[in-house]
Amino acid sequence: SQKIEQNSEALNIQEGKTATLTCNYTNYSPAYLQWYRQDPGRGPVFLLLIRENEKEKRKERLKVTFDTTLKQSLFHITASQPADSATYLCARVNQAGTALIFGKGTTLSVSS
Amino acid sequence: DGGITQSPKYLFRKEGQNVTLSCEQNLNHDAMYWYRQDPGQGLRLIYYSQIVNDFQKGDIAEGYSVSREKKESFPLTVTSAQKNPTAFYLCASSQTGDLSPLHFGNGTRLTVT
Repeated sequence: SQKIEQNSEALNIQEGKTATLTCNYTNYSPAYLQWYRQDPGRGPVFLLLIRENEKEKRKERLKVTFDTTLKQSLFHITASQPADSATYLCARVNQAGTALIFGKGTTLSVSS
Repeated sequence: DGGITQSPKYLFRKEGQNVTLSCEQNLNHDAMYWYRQDPGQGLRLIYYSQIVNDFQKGDIAEGYSVSREKKESFPLTVTSAQKNPTAFYLCASSQTGDLSPLHFGNGTRLTVT
């Protein structure tokens, strides 16, 4: 079955540094991966989608990469701020193509 | 404002009772989903519906039931058969189509004692 794994449960960095979060998947390459942000007690919010044939996608201070050889996506936040502190989730489509499967998430803490 | 409304925010029930969680959307989305989130766990798919009057089981459907009588509404019933019902429940919707992102509500935290 397809799996999606976010290896780090928690990541602590200082303000101004670049945060890098990792998402690994198994089996066949999904056509795309999605990244979400979740704040405590709230529902996830969609951030970025990257297609299989896109090496890199950017949105303001966010950058996502997709490496089909390593079966991995990296999510970068540059010039991180305390307001970036949250849990970040990656997701892939299920085998039927009908719903998303989520990783467990990585909780980022940015200290000032 | 368009969005997804889940109510109530917090729900308390005694063991052995069925309980229904509400989810309403005004985004005109065809697809709706229910996920469960436990501490240290990712979101796990319970049920989903791509069209009115049709729905499919997700990975952890046992002990749950749903209905989709209206496009806007996708209520989830947690039955007494669900062995560990205490959790954070999230409802989401999306346009149908492969690349559509999910729009989530802000969840219902259910506590069963």
